[in-house]
Order: sequence, then C-alpha cells, then structure tokens
Amino acid sequence: AQKITQTQPGMFVQEKEAVTLDCTYDTSDPSYGLFWYKQPSSGEMIFLIYQGSYDQQNATEGRYSLNFQKARKSANLVISASQLGDSAMYFCAMRENYGGATNKLIFGTGTLLAVQP
Amino acid sequence: DTGVSQNPRHKITKRGQNVTFRCDPISEHNRLYWYRQTLGQGPEFLTYFQNEAQLEKSRLLSDRFSAERPKGSFSTLEIQRTEQGDSAMYLCASSSTGGNEKLFFGSGTQLSVL
Repeated sequence: AQKITQTQPGMFVQEKEAVTLDCTYDTSDPSYGLFWYKQPSSGEMIFLIYQGSYDQQNATEGRYSLNFQKARKSANLVISASQLGDSAMYFCAMRENYGGATNKLIFGTGTLLAVQP
Repeated sequence: DTGVSQNPRHKITKRGQNVTFRCDPISEHNRLYWYRQTLGQGPEFLTYFQNEAQLEKSRLLSDRFSAERPKGSFSTLEIQRTEQGDSAMYLCASSSTGGNEKLFFGSGTQLSVL
C-alpha cells in the first residue's frame, strides 16, 4: 500500500542555517510524483517543490531542494539559509500513477519546523 | 486571480445539524479536490472532480457526505447529521490538467461539532 513517512514531529533550526526534513515513501508503482507543501498557521497549504520518479536530477526551487534517493525511497527536503518565515508545518506527499487516472495525493503526518533568531 | 477561496473560514455547529461549505477554485482550473485534515495529521483525500464530474470518492466519504460541482466551477461539500468526529479542517484544492498537476489549496474551513 502507498504510504508516506515523516519521522520528525518537530525540528529547530537557527536562522540562516540549512535544515533537512526527512521523508520516505512506499509504493509499488514505477511512476509516481513527490511533493512538498508548507502549511503556516493560517492553514493554507503552499506548494514548494515537485520531483517525478523518472526525473534524473534533484529538483530545486530557490532555497528549496529535494534530495531524491530512489533506491532508498527517500525524498528529503533541504531548506538553505533558513528564515523566520519558514516556521511552519511541512508535509511530504506522493501521487501514484502520475499522469494517469489517479489524482489524489497521499500526505505524511508532517514536520513542525521552528526557526530561531 | 486570488487563488482558491473557501467559505466560511470557521463553522461551529451542534451535533445532528447539517452544514455546507463552499469552494471557489482558480478560474481556469478544471480539477477540484476536497481533503479533510484532523489535528496532528496530514490532509486525507475525500473526493475529486474533473469539470462537473465526480470521478473519485474516498471510503472516508460516508453517506452523510455529499459533494457537488454543478457547473464545473465552484463546489459545495455538505455534511448531514453532523457528528463530533466530523470536526476537522476541510481543505479544497484545484489544479489544471497536464504538467505535474500541482495542487493549489485554499485556507480551509474549520468545522467544530459540539
């Protein structure tokens, strides 16, 4: 069965430092997509970064990069130069059958990141 | 375009009452999704529309839940005979077809059933 695991319930990071948020996934489908979303206290889920299972290179979006290790089934999010505004819940999500009929995302339980000044 | 809009932001109701939530997706998006999120958990998929057609429903969506998207634009989610276990954040998202189908989420409707 498809599953997303985020083992870090909460993390602290000093402002301007880099932080890695862990995500492992389980699927038997060779075609899938991996996503990271940020949820601040306002509640809105904000898309950060996407990685396709067939992508050869790790995805990057500004200060966000995704460390994709396919053999280990991990898709860790790296935030460089943390800012106070990065404090939020972060969710890893997966969609199987990417490009096919299934469109729902499976989310992990999230990691609460607190950036300290 | 102001993104995905959900109303109301908060709803408090008594057990047994019916409630209805509305979602206005991004105007050019033809796909619309409903998710439910309880405290300390990630969002869970409830249902999905492409245009006006409801193409997929989760087993989480009991007979008391119904969703519509009559003209392929806004959508409503109705819960009949609410129960305390229905208390949650109800999130709506929309996307276009093609590409990596990035989902854009609204701010959600927080439901509290007393």
